[in-house]
Amino acid sequence: GAVVSQHPSRVICKSGTSVKIECRSLDFQATTMFWYRQFPKKSLMLMATSNEGSKATYEQGVEKDKFLINHASLTLSTLTVTSAHPEDSSFYICSARGTARGYGYTFGSGTRLTVV
Amino acid sequence: AQSVAQPEDQVNVAEGNPLTVKCTYSVSGNPYLFWYVQYPNRGLQFLLKYITGDNLVKGSYGFEAEFNKSQTSFHLKKPSALVSDSALYFCAVRENTDKLIFGTGTRLQVFP
Repeated sequence: GAVVSQHPSRVICKSGTSVKIECRSLDFQATTMFWYRQFPKKSLMLMATSNEGSKATYEQGVEKDKFLINHASLTLSTLTVTSAHPEDSSFYICSARGTARGYGYTFGSGTRLTVV
Repeated sequence: AQSVAQPEDQVNVAEGNPLTVKCTYSVSGNPYLFWYVQYPNRGLQFLLKYITGDNLVKGSYGFEAEFNKSQTSFHLKKPSALVSDSALYFCAVRENTDKLIFGTGTRLQVFP
């Protein structure tokens, strides 16, 4: 079945530094990738949608300069949290969708980011 | 805009008993509905989806869901709950833009 690999699973960084999270589709071409943030009370918030080779579309209220998304190939999308602050600490999850996979969405295993 | 609502923050059920996790939706046009499960510190695992066809959809791990157009509901069900079913369950709807919009989640606790 479709597999999406997300790395790292956990990361701790200092305030002011940047962190990159990778999301790879292993056995299909992900024409569209989605990035979510999950808050402690469990709700999933869609941050942005990225299509291969084009700029990401950010949801209202999400700072595009802070959360940089790159979707340079059909198998890789990255989310970079720039100048991280403690309030950026959260669980980030990517999801990939390919045109050949019906209406399926495959999720990565998530990244727990802690900013200290 | 499309949306889904999960009215229960938590559902408690004894092992062996049937379980239901509720979801209602609000869409314009035909709904594409999904159920996902999440275990602690993990991503989401697909359980089942409704696109078209039979109103009763069977999915992974013995779960099923019934699409009810008149009640705009898509409740998740299982005839006999297992302790290992304890997890966080999300209902979702696909928007016309291809985005998945999630409900707030329901924590299922199955007691031995």
